[in-house]
Amino acid sequence: NAGVTQTPKFRVLKTGQSMTLLCAQDMNHEYMYWYRQDPGMGLRLIHYSVGEGTTAKGEVPDGYNVSRLKKQNFLLGLESAAPSQTSVYFCASSPGASGETQYFGPGTRLLVL
Amino acid sequence: AQKVTQAQTEISVVEKEDVTLDCVYETRDTTYYLFWYKQPPSGELVFLIRRNSFDEQNEISGRYSWNFQKSTSSFNFTITASQVVDSAVYFCALSEWGDYKLSFGAGTTVTVRA
Repeated sequence: NAGVTQTPKFRVLKTGQSMTLLCAQDMNHEYMYWYRQDPGMGLRLIHYSVGEGTTAKGEVPDGYNVSRLKKQNFLLGLESAAPSQTSVYFCASSPGASGETQYFGPGTRLLVL
Repeated sequence: AQKVTQAQTEISVVEKEDVTLDCVYETRDTTYYLFWYKQPPSGELVFLIRRNSFDEQNEISGRYSWNFQKSTSSFNFTITASQVVDSAVYFCALSEWGDYKLSFGAGTTVTVRA
């Protein structure tokens, strides 16, 4: 039981390049989330999904897209990376809606030059 | 508006000292949930505790204890007899009823010196 895993662990991009971050969970959770962590700001929600085939915007969705084609996977895409997207990205999952504990992956460190 | 405030940015203590981390939250909901997470130097986020707004009982888990006071909108966390392994960033977070996200505080960095 691996919990929540993220790929890759670290990536360096040039401005304008694209990439996809992969999140996988083996807990059969319905809900999945993408957060970004920036110094002094805690974590902020980018996008989330309440089930397979659904996605919704969070607090800071601009510049990102997501897809949830399979229940266990949640992909975060950057179509044209910008230096402002340099951050640590965390995926999380939870069994239910508000109030349920969210379990986090190990994070992906992204540097955009 | 910031919903969760962790006023202490950094705390440094010597091993075996007690350390208390403050968390003040803001919400208009009567149903809400509070959490604490630990982020050690390795970077992952580790869930520590979840508390709902109707349960004001304090909780103790080993050297960790939590004090929830609705009257002051606070959910403070105390580490008793701190150890070097407690060195980490600790985040307090709030989930309001009907909202999917966790609203995180900015975190408190705890450094325990041997």
